[in-house]
Amino acid sequence: EVQLVESGGGLVKPGESLRLSCAASGFTFSNYSMNWVRQAPGKGLEWVSSISSSGNYIYYADSLKGRFTISRDNAKNSLYLQMNSLRAEDTAVYYCARDSDVFDIWGQGTMVTVSS
Amino acid sequence: SYELTQPPSVSVSPGQTASITCSGDKLGDKYACWYQQKPGQSPVLVIYQDNKRPSGIPERFSGSNSGNTATLTISGTQAMDEADYYCQAWDSSTVIFGGGTKLTVL
Repeated sequence: EVQLVESGGGLVKPGESLRLSCAASGFTFSNYSMNWVRQAPGKGLEWVSSISSSGNYIYYADSLKGRFTISRDNAKNSLYLQMNSLRAEDTAVYYCARDSDVFDIWGQGTMVTVSS
Repeated sequence: SYELTQPPSVSVSPGQTASITCSGDKLGDKYACWYQQKPGQSPVLVIYQDNKRPSGIPERFSGSNSGNTATLTISGTQAMDEADYYCQAWDSSTVIFGGGTKLTVL
């Protein structure tokens, strides 16, 4: 079964850091670009970042201003999102999504709450 | 920056046709896709490359894209189609989502 499972979410204070992980299974992970998409409570979808299959090409939403770093480990079939200097407005469910020029597979999401 | 605009809400009676629009500058020159999201669930791709349906998506879902507007059409709408719908397109190497449309079946 093709599956993406996120982990690493939780409650953090403003200014702290968090690292999210996404474990892929059921497909050849190294053949696909991958993305992070977030959704604040009661709000719409917001694209965060993408990384090519090899990791050579990386893109971010302008709003992140260099605070987030996407990476992957193809040997471990895993995608990561390092989030630094977290703010209250980063509170959201974070999804990883497989990129086949569209997001055809999504994980169940992991909740990140930034609050003092 | 590129923007996609959707109506916040659309209502439809069961069995009727629902149309949800997505507007963006020269959107017809890009591929548009659509995601369905039910409460508490992850998004699901329902239309890609303007008008293609992934495996498992019912035939009542269709799409079109021309000029500045992409449209998701649901024919014979069922209660189970009540959900939020998001359009999406690529602008250079960045991903753009529309703000989402809540489809109510009543």
